[in-house]
Amino acid sequence: QVQLVESGGGVVQPGRSLRLSCAASGFTFSSYGMHWVRQAPGKGLEWVAVIWYDGSNKYYADSVKGRFTISRDNSKNTLYLQMNSLRAEDTAVYYCAREIAAAGTTLGWFDPWGQGTLVTVSS
Amino acid sequence: DIQMTQSPSTLSASVGDRVTITCRASQSISSWLAWYQQKPGKAPKLLIYKASSLESGVPSRFSGSGSGTEFTLTISSLQPDDFATYYCQQYNSWWTFGQGTKVEIK
Repeated sequence: QVQLVESGGGVVQPGRSLRLSCAASGFTFSSYGMHWVRQAPGKGLEWVAVIWYDGSNKYYADSVKGRFTISRDNSKNTLYLQMNSLRAEDTAVYYCAREIAAAGTTLGWFDPWGQGTLVTVSS
Repeated sequence: DIQMTQSPSTLSASVGDRVTITCRASQSISSWLAWYQQKPGKAPKLLIYKASSLESGVPSRFSGSGSGTEFTLTISSLQPDDFATYYCQQYNSWWTFGQGTKVEIK
C-alpha cells in the first residue's frame, strides 16, 4: 500500500540544524511532487515546502525561506528536509505528503500523509 | 497570498446531527479546494478534493460543495468516529489551510 514514513525528528538547540527524511513506498515516487507540512503543538496546519517530481523546482513558505532546503533522491524513494538556523517557533510535528494533481492541472491536494515526526527546538 | 477562513472554530454536536462547516477564501479559487479530517495524534486524512469529489473509501455521509470563494463540508448524520478536527485547503495558488474546525461531542 502507499506509505510515507518520516524520521529524523528530535530535540535540538536554537541555531542548530536537523535533517528530516521521508521514505516512500507503494507508488512510483519519481512521478509525484512531494511536500512538507508542519503543525505546531495545539495549532493548525502550515505548508512548508514543495519539490517537483523531478526535483526541478522547489518552493518554500516565507517563514522558512533561506533556512530550510527540500530535496529528494528518486533512486532511494526518499524525500528530505534540511533545517538550518532553527528557532523555537519551528517546533512542530513535520509531515511529508504526496501531491495528487488532476490531469491538465499544475497544483493538487495531498494524499497520503506520513505519520509525522516531532521537532522540538529548545535550549 | 490566499487566506482561508473556516467557521465555526468549534462545533458541538450530537450523534445523528447534520453538521456544516464553512470555508471562505480571500479570493476566488475556482473549485481547487480539499477537506481533511484529523484526529488527535494522527496525520490528516483526505476526505474531499476539487470541492465536491469524495475520496475513495470515505463514507457517503460526507459531502462538499461550493466554488469561487465559499465552500461547505457537510456531514449528513454525525457518527461517533467523526468527532475530529476538519481543515480546508486551497490549491489554486500554492497551498493554504484554514485554521481548522473542531467537532466535539455536545
